[in-house]
Amino acid sequence: SQELEQSPQSLIVQEGKNLTINCTSSKTLYGLYWYKQKYGEGLIFLMMLQKGGEEKSHEKITAKLDEKKQQSSLHITASQPSHAGIYLCGADRGKLIFGQGTELSVKP
Amino acid sequence: DSGVTQTPKHLITATGQRVTLRCSPRSGDLSVYWYQQSLDQGLQFLIHYYNGEERAKGNILERFSAQQFPDLHSELNLSSLELGDSALYFCASSARTGTGLKNTQYFGPGTRLTVL
Repeated sequence: SQELEQSPQSLIVQEGKNLTINCTSSKTLYGLYWYKQKYGEGLIFLMMLQKGGEEKSHEKITAKLDEKKQQSSLHITASQPSHAGIYLCGADRGKLIFGQGTELSVKP
Repeated sequence: DSGVTQTPKHLITATGQRVTLRCSPRSGDLSVYWYQQSLDQGLQFLIHYYNGEERAKGNILERFSAQQFPDLHSELNLSSLELGDSALYFCASSARTGTGLKNTQYFGPGTRLTVL
């Protein structure tokens, strides 16, 4: 099984709806990165969380880190077609270990 | 644009051949990382170089090798290519080495390798 499990694996939402993507680790999280990838393109850094309870926002995307649950969540408010893509969480293990990704489609 | 450049963007070659992928890190970054992304394995760490020295190895095959040059650009060499080596290869760079926000990895656009 993967060290980082993302859920759901894929998501289709109507434009304007809110959504949440989860990333759960089987080991303690010391640092958690969120990236976005357009299909076949490079990864775009969104944000990094380091401390338990930390919450960061970038435009309409908010991420939280729950150290006790070894979990991070990414929440998008009022989704837009520009939010479509693959969201990847990465754990800092000295090197980055990535989840399998969550593919988000936003229907206009 | 992350500031990390990779060439070529696409590469099509035959089994048994050898190819070289090139990466130029962001200005000022000393670390370069290589990753392989495939549908079945996801995004896998291959190798990390810091200021010309190898720092960590991941799931890198013996047929693959890399180096980082004095000008900090890096090359990933893939030899005796097999069909299963077809994938997207990314490099990323960071300021230094170690963990934390200041060492966030920024990714290049990738090289898509197709082995026929």
